[in-house]
Amino acid sequence: DQQVKQNSPSLSVQEGRISILNCDYTNSMFDYFLWYKKYPAEGPTFLISISSIKDKNEDGRFTVFLNKSAKHLSLHIVPSQPGDSAVYFCAASAWGTSYDKVIFGPGTSLSVIP
Amino acid sequence: GAVVSQHPSRVICKSGTSVKIECRSLDFQATTMFWYRQFPKKSLMLMATSNEGSKATYEQGVEKDKFLINHASLTLSTLTVTSAHPEDSSFYICSARDWQGGFREKLFFGSGTQLSVL
Repeated sequence: DQQVKQNSPSLSVQEGRISILNCDYTNSMFDYFLWYKKYPAEGPTFLISISSIKDKNEDGRFTVFLNKSAKHLSLHIVPSQPGDSAVYFCAASAWGTSYDKVIFGPGTSLSVIP
Repeated sequence: GAVVSQHPSRVICKSGTSVKIECRSLDFQATTMFWYRQFPKKSLMLMATSNEGSKATYEQGVEKDKFLINHASLTLSTLTVTSAHPEDSSFYICSARDWQGGFREKLFFGSGTQLSVL
């Protein structure tokens, strides 16, 4: 049972445009969400996170939006750059529960075309 | 940010041998470390949660006797793949939780270990 879903396995965007990566979750106990970026044969790198008490968090070119009622979050990258090409993982956790660990989605491979 | 060192980065071994992978938090103390496994073009699958000084908590479907985890100190966790077989070939990644700075779940990841069992 996949609790964190990323339904788009891949995404291509022109350089300078906006990249929007989507993520859905099923477990209503999740209260903290993270996005990680990963290059092949490397460990993931933390990008940005959001607590369930917020609906938006921004850090430079990266913004994460959270819609709790829809159990949906998205990562916006503006403007997209070729160096952003990587696999992006959405992750979630639930504090103080049996899910007090980070559960990853399947990832979305982003290609930013120069 | 915090640094997690993982060694070796790549290992090739014969079927039936055991392989040990080390994960160290270099500039912080990690009471909790996590071990993940990634198959090609697949997500990161959590294998187990390693707590310093206590037994690891394994996820459903992960064989405890196959994947031995030891977290003897606040900076070191090891994963030993015992009697490795070709189906154990995978990319193994460790991560450590750093509580400083208020980042509750800001996991820092090692660079991963590519295991190939012949």
